[in-house]
Amino acid sequence: QLVESGGRVVRPGTSLRLSCAVSGFTFSSYAMHWVRQAPGKGLEWVAVISYDGRNKYYGDSVRGRFTISRDNSKNTLYLQMNSLRAEDTAVYYCAASIAVAGTILRWFDPWGQGTLVTVSS
Amino acid sequence: DIVMTQSPDSLAVSLGERATINCKSSQSVLYSSNNKNYLAWYQQKPGQPPKLLIYWASTREFGVPDRFIGSGSGTDFTLTISALQAEDVAVYYCQQYYSTSYTFGQGTKLEIK
Repeated sequence: QLVESGGRVVRPGTSLRLSCAVSGFTFSSYAMHWVRQAPGKGLEWVAVISYDGRNKYYGDSVRGRFTISRDNSKNTLYLQMNSLRAEDTAVYYCAASIAVAGTILRWFDPWGQGTLVTVSS
Repeated sequence: DIVMTQSPDSLAVSLGERATINCKSSQSVLYSSNNKNYLAWYQQKPGQPPKLLIYWASTREFGVPDRFIGSGSGTDFTLTISALQAEDVAVYYCQQYYSTSYTFGQGTKLEIK
């Protein structure tokens, strides 16, 4: 089970941190992703972190503003979002990828229910 | 980035009939080292997160009904629902995990005719 939290209404230019609490599987064996979905739109991959936290990759639209991290001792994934813009408004999902031999190139399963971030003045 | 393009954008099919959704990638997602296509399909119903249906382009996830069939290789892929059921109404997405800039198709909305 993946449970996201932290979403709320914020002003443009401010910061927000999302969390994803994981249970029911071995968190440290999975790469973890953030994926977002703007209202009425499709899915956009945001960021990935390897099972051990050593490797991180970001989508072009968030690189330099967002930071993904994890705490394997707490079974929790984070997304620090800075310099928020109106176009960051979306439901943010966390999702897991089984890290066979440490790879991060795998499908996303399972997914959380999502948390809504609204950036508005 | 690899661009994933689905067709059609929307589709209406009668109950019990076949539904076919296409997905084309801007470059091959077939890894020559293991001969696997790094392509997944997801189903998303309103108000719900996406659900994994198919990975490796044609491997059905555990518990997914066998009416869901994935096929294709390289740059051209297809999701077929062999006999549409009412509960299959959803938006379907293809996704490549060939590169660390993961990308989804724009989605195909499937409805009952």
